[in-house]
Amino acid sequence: AQSVTQPDIHITVSEGASLELRCNYSYGATPYLFWYVQSPGQGLQLLLKYFSGDTLVQGIKGFEAEFKRSQSSFNLRKPSVHWSDAAEYFCAVVNTGGFKTIFGAGTRLFVKA
Amino acid sequence: NAGVTQTPKFRVLKTGQSMTLLCAQDMNHEYMYWYRQDPGMGLRLIHYSVGEGTTAKGEVPDGYNVSRLKKQNFLLGLESAAPSQTSVYFCASENPRTQGYEQYFGPGTRLTVT
Repeated sequence: AQSVTQPDIHITVSEGASLELRCNYSYGATPYLFWYVQSPGQGLQLLLKYFSGDTLVQGIKGFEAEFKRSQSSFNLRKPSVHWSDAAEYFCAVVNTGGFKTIFGAGTRLFVKA
Repeated sequence: NAGVTQTPKFRVLKTGQSMTLLCAQDMNHEYMYWYRQDPGMGLRLIHYSVGEGTTAKGEVPDGYNVSRLKKQNFLLGLESAAPSQTSVYFCASENPRTQGYEQYFGPGTRLTVT
């Protein structure tokens, strides 16, 4: 069965520091991978997605993610974190055969001044 | 465009009461979904619909029913609420033909069952 693992429940970084959020997936075929962000009290918003091609994908708000097939990973990165990036981040994989998206449990990002 | 809207935003129910959550989207999306979000568990799919008049069970369907009589609306019903249904409920919509499985989410409904 498909699954998505986000090993870190929460992460704290200083404003201006770099960020990497980890995501590992289990999926037999080439996956469609996503990162969503959820600000407090809001719904989820798409940050970026990977379908095929270049394994480094750029998203909104200065985020990027790299697909590594050999490691079954799709880690999210940002070179310099802003206080407004404090939110919960969800990695997701699409089950293209079943029309369903599988979400990870989420990583909550705290940003300290 | 309003995108995806959910009604109500908050609700408190007593055990055994019933209620309906309404989701509406104005993007002409084919697919619609209901999720529940609980701490440490991410989003879990309750029911989904791939078109008007069709619905299907997701990962955690027990205790919920849905209907999609109109393409733009997806209703989630709780016939007899239980404390285990205390959660935040999110609706989402998607058009896989034009937007490649990206889902658009509503702002959520926070439900408390006492």
